[in-house]
Amino acid sequence: EAGVTQSPTHLIKTRGQQVTLRCSPISGHTSVYWYQQALGLGLQFLLWYDEGEERNRGNFPPRFSGRQFPNYSSELNVNALELEDSALYLCASSLNRNNEQFFGPGTRLTVL
Amino acid sequence: TQLLEQSPQFLSIQEGENLTVYCNSSSVFSSLQWYRQEPGEGPVLLVTVVTGGEVKKLKRLTFQFGDARKDSSLHITAAQTGDTGLYLCAGDPTGNQFYFGTGTSLTVIP
Repeated sequence: EAGVTQSPTHLIKTRGQQVTLRCSPISGHTSVYWYQQALGLGLQFLLWYDEGEERNRGNFPPRFSGRQFPNYSSELNVNALELEDSALYLCASSLNRNNEQFFGPGTRLTVL
Repeated sequence: TQLLEQSPQFLSIQEGENLTVYCNSSSVFSSLQWYRQEPGEGPVLLVTVVTGGEVKKLKRLTFQFGDARKDSSLHITAAQTGDTGLYLCAGDPTGNQFYFGTGTSLTVIP
């Protein structure tokens, strides 16, 4: 069974640009979570989608947004990139909101 | 303020030594999970503990959930270089948001 996949694996952008990250959950999983992990730091919760709806968002500005598609894949959009947005962005999926989360390999975003 | 505090933050030990990592909170969790993350990769789930006082063993790793379900520990016996990584505890106390601990970075020196 395929795990959680994310694309792209690496991305380099400049300040002010916009970026879209993609995530495909494990087949059958309806919940998708996005996390930001700055270098050397823990995971910070960004967004949670379940059944196509945004269920919760972490303490991030509105320029961080996303959506979940009918096939449960998800996108994370970040507008007006800032240097401190440089981080590993991790996507996880779970069978439902109460189940264990399985992570993708992440997208490494560098903002110059 | 972090909901889940882990200690120590950094740990460097010799191969063959034992170690314990702690995960503490003032909140009650219905379950806690432990993950290991290697550089440049996503966290990998090691175990989920559900019942207060529960002890789970995964080869040389022993996980314990506190009686009050507010804390957990991970004990590694005879550490190996392959145990090197970032260890994270995580849980959802409210049913609305998953929280990760501050992490313990373990380095096992050959």
